Amino acid sequence: DAGITQSPRHKVTETGTPVTLRCHQTENHRYMYWYRQDPGHGLRLIHYSYGVKDTDKGEVSDGYSVSRSKTEDFLLTLESATSSQTSVYFCAISDGTGSSAQGTGELFFGEGSRLTVL
Amino acid sequence: AQSVTQPDIHITVSEGASLELRCNYSYGATPYLFWYVQSPGQGLQLLLKYFSGDTLVQGIKGFEAEFKRSQSSFNLRKPSVHWSDAAEYFCAVGARDTNAGKSTFGDGTTLTVKP
Repeated sequence: DAGITQSPRHKVTETGTPVTLRCHQTENHRYMYWYRQDPGHGLRLIHYSYGVKDTDKGEVSDGYSVSRSKTEDFLLTLESATSSQTSVYFCAISDGTGSSAQGTGELFFGEGSRLTVL
Repeated sequence: AQSVTQPDIHITVSEGASLELRCNYSYGATPYLFWYVQSPGQGLQLLLKYFSGDTLVQGIKGFEAEFKRSQSSFNLRKPSVHWSDAAEYFCAVGARDTNAGKSTFGDGTTLTVKP
């Protein structure tokens, strides 16, 4: 199994409070991602990183920020949590694109962080 | 923009019966295609992937999928379903012109297996 650890695994918080979710990998993979999973919506990309201090937005980035100061850690921050951000958050890692020179492109997922915003 | 449609939200099959889960994608060129499986309370695990070459790909746990360019489909099949296959299945498409990890997922198909 890929070495991906998400913390916390469960969190209940109140509207307006800041929340930070952490993803830690031991695989030394270049790419890291944050997805959210909601019933009927599959997984939607929030933000991703293609290297230390290199990040970009996904399709549902509003209300979220990320940081990657080390290869192994990717933080997702909700500056002021809202009830619409209640979700299960998955971190994923990848060793690169699908070309043979750059890796398989497949994603390895953490076990998820369930966030409830009251 | 790329997109994925999984037409079946929920499928029920009897143990030992064959299975086919449908996936249609939209992408302007030949995509990277993936099937992932998610057991309750777990993250997603890759079942199989298609990048190029043989359009019939084999995966783990006895699953296979066939890429059909003319139909923009990548259906997942298994000849004989086991009770442990009950899970949610996601089809995903990755763009070739960028990091394939920026995959777009379908909404998923939940598989129930009857004894």
